[in-house]
Amino acid sequence: EIVLTQSPGTLSLSPGERATLSCRASQNFGTYYVAWYQQKPGQAPRLLIYGASSRANGIPDRFSGSGSGTDFTLTISRVEPEDFAVYYCQKYGNSPTFGQGTKLQMK
Amino acid sequence: EVQLVESGGGLVQPGRSLRLSCVTSGFTFEDYSMHWVRQAPGKGLEWVSRINWNSDTIVYADSVKGRFTLSRDNAKKSIYLQMNSLRAEDTALYFCTKDAPNTGTGAFDVWGQGTMVTVSS
Repeated sequence: EIVLTQSPGTLSLSPGERATLSCRASQNFGTYYVAWYQQKPGQAPRLLIYGASSRANGIPDRFSGSGSGTDFTLTISRVEPEDFAVYYCQKYGNSPTFGQGTKLQMK
Repeated sequence: EVQLVESGGGLVQPGRSLRLSCVTSGFTFEDYSMHWVRQAPGKGLEWVSRINWNSDTIVYADSVKGRFTLSRDNAKKSIYLQMNSLRAEDTALYFCTKDAPNTGTGAFDVWGQGTMVTVSS
């Protein structure tokens, strides 16, 4: 079973700062099958990134995904007030698995 | 507008059963695999099950295998999750979700609002 570990658990930033969220897989499963989601309180998750680096429809270009092998990153170039939320990485495919989440909070 | 609307959640005693439904609209339902994902209170996301377009392939997480059964009705554009032998650890908000186009399976571009299942005596 592939385990995804996200870090940090909580990230405290001010609007306008750069956010770097990490996701490490316990084994290599193929770079393409990585997605990132954003979830705000009381809402369903929203797909941000698929295929490790492709933005989903309507996602602002301040969000970008990168990485390969076992290490993946979600970057928010300049955090906006509406970006404070929990972010999950996911390995998708036949048996999807999620990381435990990173909470991005306002400093 | 693409919509997924879940129903059927509620409070149930351990060992009992519950059936969740998800009615969809706004997309060609029979073109997509559909999934259930759950989220325990204050916890992260856990994928539960997947059903492909014609019900040929149905896959379950180990945590629910043998207890949950996923089905679909393409004429009604709906999926159903029959949950038997419920346990306290099945307590969660259950989301219905669909595959994002052109991604294979398991990346979810549309989610319902969720239906809450609480297993407690």
